[in-house]
Amino acid sequence: NAGVMQNPRHLVRRRGQEARLRCSPMKGHSHVYWYRQLPEEGLKFMVYLQKENIIDESGMPKERFSAEFPKEGPSILRIQQVVRGDSAAYFCASSLQGAPGYEQYFGPGTRLTVT
Amino acid sequence: AQSVTQLDSQVPVFEEAPVELRCNYSSSVSVYLFWYVQYPNQGLQLLLKYLSGSTLVKGINGFEAEFNKSQTSFHLRKPSVHISDTAEYFCAVSEGAAGNKLTFGGGTRVLVKP
Repeated sequence: NAGVMQNPRHLVRRRGQEARLRCSPMKGHSHVYWYRQLPEEGLKFMVYLQKENIIDESGMPKERFSAEFPKEGPSILRIQQVVRGDSAAYFCASSLQGAPGYEQYFGPGTRLTVT
Repeated sequence: AQSVTQLDSQVPVFEEAPVELRCNYSSSVSVYLFWYVQYPNQGLQLLLKYLSGSTLVKGINGFEAEFNKSQTSFHLRKPSVHISDTAEYFCAVSEGAAGNKLTFGGGTRVLVKP
């Protein structure tokens, strides 16, 4: 039973380019969360999605960041016109249900470096 | 808004010695509490969680944690650590009204020395 998969594991982008991060949840999970971990910091919630719906995007920066979770295929976190401050590890997690207390299973993360 | 404080950013400890990692949270409503471990360049793995019931929670790899509502704490303990416990540990909470999103503490890096 495959766990949460993220790709790419490492991504290098120049300032101004776009970054696309992919997340495939665990089989049977329809709830996906994205978190960002800046260097030497804890993880910060960005967005919570269910199939085809954004449920909570309270942690998303207002500009340049967007997320989707289509009916078919992985969840995508998209960062347009990247800047150096976007360099971080981005983790995706999935859960069986969206109610509080349900375990979130984390992927290995995508480490984005902006040069 | 809820917040999580991990008082120690780094904890060096000798092999086979006990370790305690402190976690305090602030919330005015019921919370669910978690401890995760992150090994270098990997994702997070759940060690244990508190949802309700007994305040002493046992997890994987010999870890346990105690929920103390009056002190709003959820400290993690292990009576005897191994070299393989070298990792970063994160305390997290989810608050019922805010859904299942997790608020994390800043992490505690445990370095086990031989």
